[in-house]
Amino acid sequence: AQKITQTQPGMFVQEKEAVTLDCTYDTSDQSYGLFWYKQPSSGEMIFLIYQGSYDEQNATEGRYSLNFQKARKSANLVISASQLGDSAMYFCAMREGWGTTGGGADGLTFGKGTHLIIQP
Amino acid sequence: DTGVSQDPRHKITKRGQNVTFRCDPISEHNRLYWYRQTLGQGPEFLTYFQNEAQLEKSRLLSDRFSAERPKGSFSTLEIQRTEQGDSAMYLCASSSQGYNEQFFGPGTRLTVL
Repeated sequence: AQKITQTQPGMFVQEKEAVTLDCTYDTSDQSYGLFWYKQPSSGEMIFLIYQGSYDEQNATEGRYSLNFQKARKSANLVISASQLGDSAMYFCAMREGWGTTGGGADGLTFGKGTHLIIQP
Repeated sequence: DTGVSQDPRHKITKRGQNVTFRCDPISEHNRLYWYRQTLGQGPEFLTYFQNEAQLEKSRLLSDRFSAERPKGSFSTLEIQRTEQGDSAMYLCASSSQGYNEQFFGPGTRLTVL
């Protein structure tokens, strides 16, 4: 079974609208961390937001928020007031074995990504 | 610029040749990761160093691949006897103990002819 599932290969959204990118995960660990990264066409991976499995509140970073539903094992990314510069690939990732204490030691498992295109 | 740097940015080689890539992490980061990304896929974890110790290797890291971080600073990834299936973007990332975020470099794009 895939550890990270992103069911939306591509999305078209009008500028200034809110966007929700879906991510579900599969783990038997109690402690884990969930990440979202943005990859523009230039190729660099840009960290957006992090959620620890023991975090009580949903993470927020500026226009980005993570809708964390632990029982459903989902960690959707919400981008408010989308901008043309938000057009990129978006990857959900998981680090198994640690949570809010941070300091994770091992590599991330990434999903296949969602290609988001913001239209003017 | 004090971000993660990788060299070279592009490498074209013939099948069967050996290649070596270098990664310079952010200077105060003691953790370094290598990933591989093929077209249309997310990055796949290859290996991880804490200081100079290689603590984890993915099963993707066949015996043709070797990584080193001799002094706990820069790291090298060598691929011996390259195959066409090795064509990919090789990404390096670093992080600091106690922090969640991994900072990625620009990657080395390998093309094996």
